[in-house]
Amino acid sequence: DVVMTQSPLSLSVTLGQPASISCRSSQSLLESDGNTYLNWFQQRPGQSPRRLIYMVSNRDPGVPDRFSGSGSGTDFTLKISRVEAEDVGVYYCMQARQWTFGQGTKVEIK
Amino acid sequence: VQLVESGGALVQPGGSLRLSCAASGFSYNDYWMSWVRQAPGKGLEWVARMNQDGTKKYYVDSVKGRFTISRDNGQNSLFLQMNSLRVDDTAVYFCVRDCSTSGCSNWGQGTLVTVSS
Repeated sequence: DVVMTQSPLSLSVTLGQPASISCRSSQSLLESDGNTYLNWFQQRPGQSPRRLIYMVSNRDPGVPDRFSGSGSGTDFTLKISRVEAEDVGVYYCMQARQWTFGQGTKVEIK
Repeated sequence: VQLVESGGALVQPGGSLRLSCAASGFSYNDYWMSWVRQAPGKGLEWVARMNQDGTKKYYVDSVKGRFTISRDNGQNSLFLQMNSLRVDDTAVYFCVRDCSTSGCSNWGQGTLVTVSS
């Protein structure tokens, strides 16, 4: 089974500053169809998760462009260019073939 | 798009429970559907998923043989039959639609299952 490992597990960021979350998989997520099925989710306190990014780097509708995803193979990154107060929450990566989630990264404001 | 779960409750270890999810706002028949759970204060764990016509079903190892996912396409509903419940099944259970196209990801509000004596 694929294991997804996120780092850091906790992040304290000053408003307006960038943030970066790493997600590593135990094996390559590149599929035989040429696609890489790696998603990012945000879960704000008290809310259900919301997908931000699908297939590594594609933003879902309504997701601010300060969020971006990148990576390939086994290494992936979610970046927030300028953290805002509404970005507080837990972020999860997920490989969408076997539906395995990372442990989550808690983002808070410093 | 709306996904509304129901059926969560307090149940004793060894007991059974059936969760339901009512889907609306999209062509339900066209999508895989899944259950994902979140234990109190913990991360997300995928539980089960099934394809459009119910011919393919997958489960996380920890629930195999105890949980059964099913759907009624005529009623736009998804179900999770949970038997032999254990304390570590305690979690909020989310009904999820997720596919690899833009905007194709929706989660319900979740329903709480508590397994305790």
